[in-house]
Amino acid sequence: GAVVSQHPSRVICKSGTSVKIECRSLDFQATTMFWYRQFPKQSLMLMATSNEGSKATYEQGVEKDKFLINHASLTLSTLTVTSAHPEDSSFYICSASSAGPGEKLFFGSGTQLSVL
Amino acid sequence: AQTVTQSQPEMSVQEAETVTLSCTYDTSESNYYLFWYKQPPSRQMILVIRQEAYKQQNATENRFSVNFQKAAKSFSLKISDSQLGDTAMYFCAFMTPSGNTPLVFGKGTRLSVIA
Repeated sequence: GAVVSQHPSRVICKSGTSVKIECRSLDFQATTMFWYRQFPKQSLMLMATSNEGSKATYEQGVEKDKFLINHASLTLSTLTVTSAHPEDSSFYICSASSAGPGEKLFFGSGTQLSVL
Repeated sequence: AQTVTQSQPEMSVQEAETVTLSCTYDTSESNYYLFWYKQPPSRQMILVIRQEAYKQQNATENRFSVNFQKAAKSFSLKISDSQLGDTAMYFCAFMTPSGNTPLVFGKGTRLSVIA
């Protein structure tokens, strides 16, 4: 079946630095990818919708200048957390849609970000 | 906007018994998809079962089945012969049939299977 690869799985960084997370669709083209954030014992919260070749659409309350999303190809979307702070520590998950009849959503394995 | 409600934050069940997780949703759409996802401690999201709203027949996948009541906007998950490996968070989710729309998740139900 279709696979979405997400890297890194875990990252620890110092406050003020930037971190890039990659999400790749391995055997299908994903015109749309989604980025979620999940705090401990909570549900997945949509951060933004990433469309190939255009600007991402951010959910209300998500700072677009802090969470930079790039979707330059049909198989790769990246999320960059700029000037990370401890409150940005969270689990970030991407998903990609294989649009069409019987469309399905596939999830990456997630990235645990810890900002010290 | 669509909303998904899971009213049971936590549930437990004895091994080999049956348990039902509840989910209700609200939408004005007539065509949509409903899902149950499992999230074990590894936090990988695993699709358990999927239902298309236009299909009247309830979806089943081995020990997992749903009771889809479209008029009541209800979508419960039944797990039969519960196994220790079923211990996880379970999320009910809604999606409209377009490649540009994300899943809308409920808050989740933490299921513990007890030996």
